[in-house]
Amino acid sequence: AQSVSQHNHHVILSEAASLELGCNYSYGGTVNLFWYVQYPGQHLQLLLKYFSGDPLVKGIKGFEAEFIKSKFSFNLRKPSVQWSDTAEYFCAVTPTGGGNKLTFGTGTQLKVEL
Amino acid sequence: NAGVTQTPKFQVLKTGQSMTLQCAQDMNHEYMSWYRQDPGMGLRLIHYSVGAGITDQGEVPNGYNVSRSTTEDFPLRLLSAAPSQTSVYFCASRPLAQILAGDTEAFFGQGTRLTVV
Repeated sequence: AQSVSQHNHHVILSEAASLELGCNYSYGGTVNLFWYVQYPGQHLQLLLKYFSGDPLVKGIKGFEAEFIKSKFSFNLRKPSVQWSDTAEYFCAVTPTGGGNKLTFGTGTQLKVEL
Repeated sequence: NAGVTQTPKFQVLKTGQSMTLQCAQDMNHEYMSWYRQDPGMGLRLIHYSVGAGITDQGEVPNGYNVSRSTTEDFPLRLLSAAPSQTSVYFCASRPLAQILAGDTEAFFGQGTRLTVV
């Protein structure tokens, strides 16, 4: 079974600072990878996803993530965060080609201060 | 588009009471699932369904029942509520054909915040 680790549980940044949130997964085969965001009081929304091809994927709101297969990692980055990026971020994985179980990491709470 | 709709948004139960959390989607997605979200533990899969009449257990199924009589609805039943079931519950749906192709995102409802006292 697959698993996902997010090592940063709480991150506090000032506006305009750069962001990198770590995500590592464990699975013996190929995977599809996702980052979801949950703004305060709202449901989870997809930020970006990786299925195949270019390992650097770009999502909404200036976010990007890089899949490094050798490191089993899919870190989320943003060059300059805004106060409105305050949210909880979840990394998720599902096996490629028919895996119906989406496994989430424990989440990273990001607070951006003015 | 309504997407995935969950009711109620908030609920307080006494220990031992039963209740049903409702989930409905209007996207004709075959795959539906229930997660609970607890601080520091992320989202954990409770039960899921790949179509009407088919359900299966996820990671933390104890204390919960589900049924899937229609494509649209996937209710989650708490048989005898316990304080350990205090959590935020999310329902999600995905189109099965895209799951099989390895290309799908999950669409989430707004969540139900349940407190068991």
